[in-house]
Amino acid sequence: QSALTQPPSASGSPGQSVTISCTGTSSDVGRYNYVSWYQQHPGKAPKVTIYEVSKRPSGVPDRFSGSKSGNTASLTVSGLQAEDEADYYCSSYAGSNNYVFGTGTKVTVL
Amino acid sequence: QLQLQESGPGLVKPSETLSLTCTVSGGSISSGDYYWGWIRQPPGKGLEWIGSIYYSGSTYYNPSLKSRVTISVDTSKNQFSLKLNSVTAADTAVYYCARVYGDSFPNWFDPWGQGTLVTVSS
Repeated sequence: QSALTQPPSASGSPGQSVTISCTGTSSDVGRYNYVSWYQQHPGKAPKVTIYEVSKRPSGVPDRFSGSKSGNTASLTVSGLQAEDEADYYCSSYAGSNNYVFGTGTKVTVL
Repeated sequence: QLQLQESGPGLVKPSETLSLTCTVSGGSISSGDYYWGWIRQPPGKGLEWIGSIYYSGSTYYNPSLKSRVTISVDTSKNQFSLKLNSVTAADTAVYYCARVYGDSFPNWFDPWGQGTLVTVSS
């Protein structure tokens, strides 16, 4: 199984929106509604931000939203804030109790 | 509140076996609703799923690591463990343990341990 493809970087000014894509295949992202997104600040463990494509865990601001179309999932962060500057990783279930992560995207708040 | 904590040697010699343990607190590892997983992150690189285990002992491994990985569980200690043999410098990474959770099927990782850096070097 190959890593899901994400853009290396994305950026936006405070208050703007940024959208990160996560492209897989018909065997993972395209087949299952089991895509999750993780936010990772430097030196910290990842933290789930979106699960099952578009669901937000309690405590995660509604500025974070997720969607999926075909083999590509997306994470949108609206109303960017300084604390949103971090690395973001997608993950997908890939069948047979296997999981695959994305290549990661560094989000910069300008 | 469920918490996970990795422990083990921070330095392993090439060709030897990397061994880590994840201790779960604030909940039972024997809950039938979850799996338990290991994920690693080489310095400056992305995340890689290593494998997962169910409390019954059923294991699932990343095909790219399957020949070198063993994950086990000790329900009496509320712990699960990772062994990776024949390590090389490419196995240098921060190793995380995490619960694999889901409403109807385990499919996302939460919470995570703080991670432990393992360096492979002579």
